[in-house]
Amino acid sequence: ILNVEQSPQSLHVQEGDSTNFTCSFPSSNFYALHWYRWETAKSPEALFVMTLNGDEKKKGQISATLNTKEGYSYLYIKGSQPEDSATYLCAFGVGSQGNLIFGKGTKLSVKP
Amino acid sequence: DAEITQSPRHKITETGRQVTLACHQTWNHNNMFWYRQDLGHGLRLIHYSYGVQDTNKGEVSDGYSVSRSNTEDLPLTLESAASSQTSVYFCASSGNIYGEQFFGPGTRLTVL
Repeated sequence: ILNVEQSPQSLHVQEGDSTNFTCSFPSSNFYALHWYRWETAKSPEALFVMTLNGDEKKKGQISATLNTKEGYSYLYIKGSQPEDSATYLCAFGVGSQGNLIFGKGTKLSVKP
Repeated sequence: DAEITQSPRHKITETGRQVTLACHQTWNHNNMFWYRQDLGHGLRLIHYSYGVQDTNKGEVSDGYSVSRSNTEDLPLTLESAASSQTSVYFCASSGNIYGEQFFGPGTRLTVL
């Protein structure tokens, strides 16, 4: 059974802190790695889709890196704001199955 | 603007009844997915479709079925609802197999 692990499960930071989360996935049969932002009472929204080893993506103060050889991706938030509070999901695209396997997410709370 | 909608948004039903949850997208995406979200499990794939007349089983497909008669719709049917199927159900679509997925607002289903 393929597994996607995210750590930590939850994180509480102060406004202005920078933070990062980890997503671990199988290093074989890789096709794509997605990051989604999921606010309470809303639907997940895509942040990044990465396909190449060494990919780095950035959107505002949020960035992500990808290492397909060792099977991990990092999501960084620089200078967290209360509006960054959400659950951040990563999802692994499996070559043989043609779909995404989601991790359980990291829940970020940013206190003003 | 293109969108993906789900109906109903909330439903309460009884054990043993057949229930159908609707998903409609105007993105003209070939790929559509159904997930369920449960505490401690994150998003788990129920069924998915890569085009009209195509359907595939996901990780937790037992007790569910889908049909794809057109590009826009992928209804999810619970043949005989069970209490274990109480969950929040999300529909999603994407333009490419491993492309960004766009999620609907979710349907909260309670089976009594």
